[in-house]
Amino acid sequence: KAGVTQTPRYLIKTRGQQVTLSCSPISGHRSVSWYQQTPGQGLQFLFEYFSETQRNKGNFPGRFSGRQFSNSRSEMNVSTLELGDSALYLCASSFTGDGYTFGSGTRLTVV
Amino acid sequence: QKEVEQDPGPLSVPEGAIVSLNCTYSNSAFQYFMWYRQYSRKGPELLMYTYSSGNKEDGRFTAQVDKSSKYISLFIRDSQPSDSATYLCAMRDIIQGAQKLVFGQGTRLTINP
Repeated sequence: KAGVTQTPRYLIKTRGQQVTLSCSPISGHRSVSWYQQTPGQGLQFLFEYFSETQRNKGNFPGRFSGRQFSNSRSEMNVSTLELGDSALYLCASSFTGDGYTFGSGTRLTVV
Repeated sequence: QKEVEQDPGPLSVPEGAIVSLNCTYSNSAFQYFMWYRQYSRKGPELLMYTYSSGNKEDGRFTAQVDKSSKYISLFIRDSQPSDSATYLCAMRDIIQGAQKLVFGQGTRLTINP
């Protein structure tokens, strides 16, 4: 059974640009969550989607947004990139919410 | 003060030792308690999760939850060099159906052959 797939694995962007990251959850999982991981702050919750609806949102500025499609695939978008947005962005999917399976992440570097 | 506190280490022990990793939390509404293992350049991998106070064992791993003290532990017996990784505790927070995981900072563990 395929795991959670995130693309691309690595990205380098310039300040002020925007970026879109993609996540394909495990087949049958309808809940998709996004997390930002940095050395200083650790793993922080961005948002959760279930059946195309955003159910929960973390404490991040409006430049961070996301969406979920009818096949449960999800994308997150960061506009007007700042140096501090450099991080590992992780996507996790869940069937029941008891256990979350994470992808390998997208490492974003903003220069 | 963070909702979940975890000693970041680093922690270095010899092969075969028993390892104890711990987290404390402040939110009594947390229900599910999880331990993840993260290797370098990989996403976190779910090791164990538990709901209630008490012990849960899976092979060389034992998860312990004490809700009255707001304290959780992960014990690794007969530690192996392949156990070298960062270990993250996580707790599920549910508010009106909306859920998220709240993570500790992670403890970097090295098992020396």
